[in-house]
Amino acid sequence: EDKVVQSPLSLVVHEGDTVTLNCSYEVTNFRSLLWYKQEKKAPTFLFMLTSSGIEKKSGRLSSILDKKELFSILNITATQTGDSAVYLCAVEAAGANNLFFGTGTRLTVIP
Amino acid sequence: DTAVSQTPKYLVTQMGNDKSIKCEQNLGHDTMYWYKQDSKKFLKIMFSYNNKELIINETVPNRFSPKSPDKAHLNLHINSLELGDSAVYFCASSQESVFYEQYFGPGTRLTVT
Repeated sequence: EDKVVQSPLSLVVHEGDTVTLNCSYEVTNFRSLLWYKQEKKAPTFLFMLTSSGIEKKSGRLSSILDKKELFSILNITATQTGDSAVYLCAVEAAGANNLFFGTGTRLTVIP
Repeated sequence: DTAVSQTPKYLVTQMGNDKSIKCEQNLGHDTMYWYKQDSKKFLKIMFSYNNKELIINETVPNRFSPKSPDKAHLNLHINSLELGDSAVYFCASSQESVFYEQYFGPGTRLTVT
């Protein structure tokens, strides 16, 4: 059965800390891995990863994929209170409707 | 302008009722989706639909049916509502079924009592 597992489930840090969020997966016919940030409403897209070892970066956020070990990490450096959100990992498999989400990591950044 | 909109924002109803949630996108996308997010924030795709085909996630009960009057709309009809249907339902759209380019609507919180 296809599955996506995120860890930790929740995390509380102080502003300025660096955090690493983990996503492991077992999905047949892997196509891509997606990271989303969800605050109070709908998820917003962060990164799409398809190739191993190539870091995607956007400001203080970065992500990398390891297709051999079947995981991805999302790093956030110098965290700010605005980074507080649920971070969702999703894996797309070949074929239609094959987008599998993890349960998310709830990040809380305290001043 | 809102890219993907949903109505209503909140919906409280009793078990056994039939209800609909509307979704409209003004992005000119050809594919629309419905997702369910439960109380533990677990997000699951229910349907994807473009002008060629409707693809249903096999785990979705047949009490749920999407209806598309035109390319810009994909409404979700739910018959005989059950307690377990309580969740936030998100509509989304993209061009050519490209997931990473999806735009999500603001969500509809459905509570079944």
